[in-house]
Amino acid sequence: GAGVSQSPSNKVTEKGKDVELRCDPISGHTALYWYRQSLGQGLEFLIYFQGNSAPDKSGLPSDRFSAERTGGSVSTLTIQRTQQEDSAVYLCASSSLAGGTEQYFGPGTRLTVT
Amino acid sequence: SQQGEEDPQALSIQEGENATMNCSYKTSINNLQWYRQNSGRGLVHLILIRSNEREKHSGRLRVTLDTSKKSSSLLITASRAADTASYFCATVSPSSGSARQLTFGSGTQLTVLP
Repeated sequence: GAGVSQSPSNKVTEKGKDVELRCDPISGHTALYWYRQSLGQGLEFLIYFQGNSAPDKSGLPSDRFSAERTGGSVSTLTIQRTQQEDSAVYLCASSSLAGGTEQYFGPGTRLTVT
Repeated sequence: SQQGEEDPQALSIQEGENATMNCSYKTSINNLQWYRQNSGRGLVHLILIRSNEREKHSGRLRVTLDTSKKSSSLLITASRAADTASYFCATVSPSSGSARQLTFGSGTQLTVLP
């Protein structure tokens, strides 16, 4: 079956504009994670969805960031009023079980805010 | 925030040699995982070691875990040019709540010269 897919693969936007990043997890995976990787840095956890439970938003850096997961499958990460420091690769991962098993990562969306 | 540090930050070896990367972390863990990242995009899971395990093997990979020192090492034997990538350790901690998100180290850039 297909792995995790993300779109777009690259996004260039002007400062102040809103952007939406999409993630299609592996079918049947109930856990979905968003991470951010800034240039030369490790990955930073942003948000977690598990089934129909309320998401864990503890990693979101500001209220300009939000995410939703419709129907327990596709997820969208929205960044409002983008800033230059939002430039990074945004990675989505899914897992069949939270924490106990490996996470499967998508190819990421490279966001550049000019 | 990052869980720990990886050492070295960069490693360059000749094909056929062994590569050893070390990871230190700060808090107690449920498990520790190693991931590989090519060209700054998606991550690929390599191996998972649980907190009650001390050593694990998978093909040319050998992982050790010392919970008393809060450290782990990844050994790649008989390296190949295709092993060139960034390698990250990531931990799952009891303190991360139900999300059990991965907390990543800063990574080691491995270059295997043909």
